[in-house]
Amino acid sequence: EAQVTQNPRYLITVTGKKLTVTCSQNMNHEYMSWYRQDPGLGLRQIYYSMNVEVTDKGDVPEGYKVSRKEKRNFPLILESPSPNQTSLYFCASSLSMYNQPQHFGDGTRLSIL
Amino acid sequence: KNEVEQSPQNLTAQEGEFITINCSYSVGISALHWLQQHPGGGIVSLFMLSSGKKKHGRLIATINIQEKHSSLHITASHPRDSAVYICAVSPEIQGAQKLVFGQGTRLTINP
Repeated sequence: EAQVTQNPRYLITVTGKKLTVTCSQNMNHEYMSWYRQDPGLGLRQIYYSMNVEVTDKGDVPEGYKVSRKEKRNFPLILESPSPNQTSLYFCASSLSMYNQPQHFGDGTRLSIL
Repeated sequence: KNEVEQSPQNLTAQEGEFITINCSYSVGISALHWLQQHPGGGIVSLFMLSSGKKKHGRLIATINIQEKHSSLHITASHPRDSAVYICAVSPEIQGAQKLVFGQGTRLTINP
């Protein structure tokens, strides 16, 4: 089954403790992206990747890192999480960067205490 | 002012009613997306449009590039259509790789 898989689905952790949210897709998609969703602010793009080893900042990249060493994986790294990073996170992928429908993961709900 | 504005923010209707959700944007775009987010949180892509009209089952999406406006219509609405509908655009100036989202329209269909 074609899918985007995020892990974990839920995480409660404390300020400053490094964490990684994994994202994997099995559709051989070139383009992958991370978004956060907050009440009243909607979805906002954090980082995106057009292909292996090619990443760029979205609208809210501060406090996050990403890497794209393999085509299928695009982990989101919070080196020193803070409470303002408590949010619902979505990973998405599409065939290419050129106006293709995006396939979303099920979301990861992060709570940073 | 947000680059993407949706209306209404909330909509409650009875089963069977014809539903229209509107999306207006202020920048030139290369594509517009309609997404559906169910109460469980998952997001599904419904349509991607750059011109004209698309139909899938009871859902119809239209776009008017000159007026910078898109509509999502649901015919013969059903309680399972209850969800948040999100409009997103790929601004031309930023390239196709970025998406800018509207705030979403929460639709509730009562039986």
